[in-house]
Amino acid sequence: ETGVTQTPRHLVMGMTNKKSLKCEQHLGHNAMYWYKQSAKKPLELMFVYNFKEQTENNSVPSRFSPECPNSSHLFLHLHTLQPEDSALYLCASSQAGGNTIYFGEGSWLTVV
Amino acid sequence: AQTVTQSQPEMSVQEAETVTLSCTYDTSESDYYLFWYKQPPSRQMILVIRQEAYKQQNATENRFSVNFQKAAKSFSLKISDSQLGDAAMYFCAYRSYGGSQGNLIFGKGTKLSVKP
Repeated sequence: ETGVTQTPRHLVMGMTNKKSLKCEQHLGHNAMYWYKQSAKKPLELMFVYNFKEQTENNSVPSRFSPECPNSSHLFLHLHTLQPEDSALYLCASSQAGGNTIYFGEGSWLTVV
Repeated sequence: AQTVTQSQPEMSVQEAETVTLSCTYDTSESDYYLFWYKQPPSRQMILVIRQEAYKQQNATENRFSVNFQKAAKSFSLKISDSQLGDAAMYFCAYRSYGGSQGNLIFGKGTKLSVKP
């Protein structure tokens, strides 16, 4: 059982749709992250939140919009995505300033 | 910029045998962290082992141990008494000490198969 839960596990959406990915952590952490894992690229950090505040955005296109309402929840809002955005999106958490990051099981996104 | 290289796209080991997965990295920093993560078919990235660069002693976690060679910038993972459940993708990762939080730099991974 993972301390970081992601829903949905699988999502298929059209390029004109708007959808959201949800992440919840039960570890008492105060930092949360979104990563993207594509088929032929290493894992890439997208966003970092510390104590609900976004502290890092790694040049992610605006069609990806994160939201962190509290330290336990993180969303990734998706709109007008491209087929190349199809990937596994992994959420993770840690203690702020900590050096060990714990991952969820990911949400498989397919853009058609 | 730091880079992490895993030169073995795939490896295979017989159940109960030992296997070593290779990882090299490039950095000009003296303080950093190194990690091995396991990603089974469930896709969750599971932390296997962690090494702080300032520690000379190699980290161990049950059947998993590392051979950390700082001068050579090498960080290999040894899995002893391999089990069927060890079959997964294994990723080596680097993080700067005090650097951008969450900015783990991952290698491309090694797919480990375990034969019964």
